[in-house]
Amino acid sequence: GAGVSQSPSNKVTEKGKDVELRCDPISGHTALYWYRQRLGQGLEFLIYFQGNSAPDKSGLPSDRFSAERTGESVSTLTIQRTQQEDSAVYLCASSLGGVQETQYFGPGTRLLVL
Amino acid sequence: RKEVEQDPGPFNVPEGATVAFNCTYSNSASQSFFWYRQDCRKEPKLLMSVYSSGNEDGRFTAQLNRASQYISLLIRDSKLSDSATYLCVVKTYQAGTALIFGKGTTLSVSS
Repeated sequence: GAGVSQSPSNKVTEKGKDVELRCDPISGHTALYWYRQRLGQGLEFLIYFQGNSAPDKSGLPSDRFSAERTGESVSTLTIQRTQQEDSAVYLCASSLGGVQETQYFGPGTRLLVL
Repeated sequence: RKEVEQDPGPFNVPEGATVAFNCTYSNSASQSFFWYRQDCRKEPKLLMSVYSSGNEDGRFTAQLNRASQYISLLIRDSKLSDSATYLCVVKTYQAGTALIFGKGTTLSVSS
């Protein structure tokens, strides 16, 4: 079956512009996560959606970052007024939401802010 | 103290070698443990979950020591295709926290 998909795969933008990244989770997965991975660094948790519960936004680095998810489907991560330090790979993952659930990652969006 | 710590390596080993990676975590309330593998410029993929009694999957063996807050991964008979970064991952069920990733240990297997 189809895995997690993300779009665009690459995005180059100018400092100060807004960007929107999209994630399509695996069908039926109630949990969805956004992570950021800077070059040569580990994954950094950003935000987590579980079903209809309020999202866990504890990892968002600033109020320029926001994310939405409609039901158990598509999620969008928006970065407003992008800065050069926002350059990273943004990874989305989804899971069934159980205790030992496996997270399946999408291929990521590579964002470069000039 | 970082939540999940790993030796970044790189570990450079010949084919057929046995190699072990270690990982420590700081939150004693952590409840689930995993090893993920990440190839260069690719997304992480689950290698194996880590259970309290230890578990094995082919050439890979994972161990968990809750008292010491320590996780290990042993790879026997290394293959060229094992070259990747291995990520130690911990989950703590507090306020819906997602997975906490270590920065990874890089393994390079050569012929």
